[in-house]
Amino acid sequence: TQLLEQSPQFLSIQEGENLTVYCNSSSVFSSLQWYRQEPGEGPVLLVTVVTGGEVKKLKRLTFQFGDARKDSSLHITAAQPGDTGLYLCAGSSSNTGKLIFGQGTTLQVKP
Amino acid sequence: DAGVIQSPRHEVTEMGQEVTLRCKPISGHNSLFWYRQTMMRGLELLIYFNNNVPIDDSGMPEDRFSAKMPNASFSTLKIQPSEPRDSAVYFCASSPDANYNQPQHFGDGTRLSIL
Repeated sequence: TQLLEQSPQFLSIQEGENLTVYCNSSSVFSSLQWYRQEPGEGPVLLVTVVTGGEVKKLKRLTFQFGDARKDSSLHITAAQPGDTGLYLCAGSSSNTGKLIFGQGTTLQVKP
Repeated sequence: DAGVIQSPRHEVTEMGQEVTLRCKPISGHNSLFWYRQTMMRGLELLIYFNNNVPIDDSGMPEDRFSAKMPNASFSTLKIQPSEPRDSAVYFCASSPDANYNQPQHFGDGTRLSIL
């Protein structure tokens, strides 16, 4: 059974701090996606990474796919209260579009 | 453009009743996914369709759950009979096709409470 483990599960920080969320697995994935979910809404895609070692930036967010395509990280620089939410990583190991989701990291950024 | 539309947004019913959740995917999307989200188990894939055909239903908990996609613009997830442990938020998502790097667009979910 493929599993994606996210850490930490909960993170509460002050505005302006930096943070990193990790997503790890013993399985190789064809691609890895990061989603952000706010209360009462569905997850919204932030980024998709497909190449080992790939780094993508989205404003203050930096996403990295591990060289072996088994892990990924999300780094947020100078966090803001608007970054508060549940961050989910999701991996696909086949060509079917089927995603395995991590348990999520709940981020709270206090002003 | 309209996103994925789910109904109802909230459902409260008594144990043993039949529950039907509905989903309208984004027009032109060929793949549709049903998920269940709970605090304990996170977001779990129940079943997904490609071109209206069920491809993988290995995540469906048991025979009480069934899903259909009679056409490209409508899908249902039915629970009969419902049990308290079915209480969760159920999401529907659609994507352009069943490729591994395609984004999935989620609806806002149905919050289901079985008393």
